[in-house]
Amino acid sequence: AQRVTQPEKLLSVFKGAPVELKCNYSYSGSPELFWYVQYSRQRLQLLLRHISRESIKGFTADLNKGETSFHLKKPFAQEEDSAMYYCALSSAGTALIFGKGTTLSVSS
Amino acid sequence: DTEVTQTPKHLVMGMTNKKSLKCEQHMGHRAMYWYKQKAKKPPELMFVYSYEKLSINESVPSRFSPECPNSSLLNLHLHALQPEDSALYLCASSQDITGNGRELFFGEGSRLTVL
Repeated sequence: AQRVTQPEKLLSVFKGAPVELKCNYSYSGSPELFWYVQYSRQRLQLLLRHISRESIKGFTADLNKGETSFHLKKPFAQEEDSAMYYCALSSAGTALIFGKGTTLSVSS
Repeated sequence: DTEVTQTPKHLVMGMTNKKSLKCEQHMGHRAMYWYKQKAKKPPELMFVYSYEKLSINESVPSRFSPECPNSSLLNLHLHALQPEDSALYLCASSQDITGNGRELFFGEGSRLTVL
C-alpha cells in the first residue's frame, strides 16, 4: 500500500536558520513525489516535484530511493515561508496521496 | 487561464437540502478531482474523473454524487448531508493521471457548512 509519512506536525525555527521538513514514503514501484504548500488563506499549490529537480523559493528536495525519503530543505528560512507543507506521492493511474502535513513556523 | 475556479466559495445548507458545488478549468486538463479537507488535516481523495469518466471513487457515501458534464467542468451534487460533512471541498485538475502529467492544480475550495 502507498503511504506518506511526515513525522513532524510542527516545526518552529528562527529566521535565517536552516530548515528540513521530513518525508518518508512506502511504495513498491516508482512513484512520483511532490511537495505542496498551503499559505494562510491561499490555495494549495505545488512547490516541488522530484522529476524536475528545481529549486523553488530556495527550497530543494532530493529523492533518496534507498531511504525512501524526500526531505524538503532550505538553508536560510524566511518569515514568509511560514505555511503548511504537504509531501505527496503519485503513481501511474492513481491520484495524489498526501502526508499529514507539517506546519512550518518561522519567527524573527 | 491557469486557474481552477470553484463556486460557491461558501455554502451553508440544511440536512434536507440539495445543493451543488461547481468546478471549472480551461487548461485542457483531462483529469479532474474532488478532495475533502477538514481543518488542519490533509486533503482526502473523493473522486477522480479521467477523460470525463469516473475512474476512482474512494468509497464515498452516495449522498455525494459527482458529475463531469464535459472536460472543463466538474460538479459535486450534495443531498441529505450530515453535519460531519462540513469541510473544505477542493477541486483539482491535472493533464492526465499517468506519465508526467500528474501535477495537480487546485482551486481555492468551497467551504461547506451543514446545519
